[in-house]
Amino acid sequence: QVTLRESGPALVKPTQTLTLTCTFSGFSLSTSGMCVSWVRQPPGKALEWLALIDWDDDKYYSTSLKTRLTISKDTSKNQVVLTMTNMDPVDTATYYCARLQFGEWYFDYWGQGTLVTVSS
Amino acid sequence: QSALTQPASVSGSPGQSITISCTGTSSDVGSYNLVSWYQQHPGKAPKLMIYEGSKRPSGVSNRFSGSKSGNTASLTISGLQAEDEADYYCCSYAGSSTFVWVFGGGTKLTVL
Repeated sequence: QVTLRESGPALVKPTQTLTLTCTFSGFSLSTSGMCVSWVRQPPGKALEWLALIDWDDDKYYSTSLKTRLTISKDTSKNQVVLTMTNMDPVDTATYYCARLQFGEWYFDYWGQGTLVTVSS
Repeated sequence: QSALTQPASVSGSPGQSITISCTGTSSDVGSYNLVSWYQQHPGKAPKLMIYEGSKRPSGVSNRFSGSKSGNTASLTISGLQAEDEADYYCCSYAGSSTFVWVFGGGTKLTVL
């Protein structure tokens, strides 16, 4: 059974760096073909793809946010970490992690999401 | 990458059929048969309903179907049921030299 769970601060101040952790089970990021992605959704707005990391430690980022994002993995802990620098109120959103399998290009399992509010 | 274009809202009565369109470009929807559709109920995570344009994951009702023509993908829901009321998002792989995904703006489905 595949599960993913996001964790991190509910509130960050403007200009701070956000660090989110995705802890998953039911698959391993050391298995060829496995990938984990981050997607966010501002309140009442659409989904936005942010970043992806694959089993081979290759990393891919949204063109518009790539200068602010870093994705990494700890295979031994079954965790993927996303950092976003220079947070702004417009970054207020629910952040989801989701699994994707190489060559299949869709997000088959999602976490429940974590709401991050950016406010002073 | 620009977001894919979806109608903001659609509605239908129980038992009817509705179709949600998702328009992209020749760089995303038109280039790949890799559109996926997600259903999202309020306060819940998205759920995969259609992948690779027209395939249904195990457990998804066959009332949900997908298709594509040119730069536009479509999701059709037949035999509308009250529990189908939700937001629906399309998503397309849009990579060429790198890996990128783009979502649509979302469509609110109301079952009258």
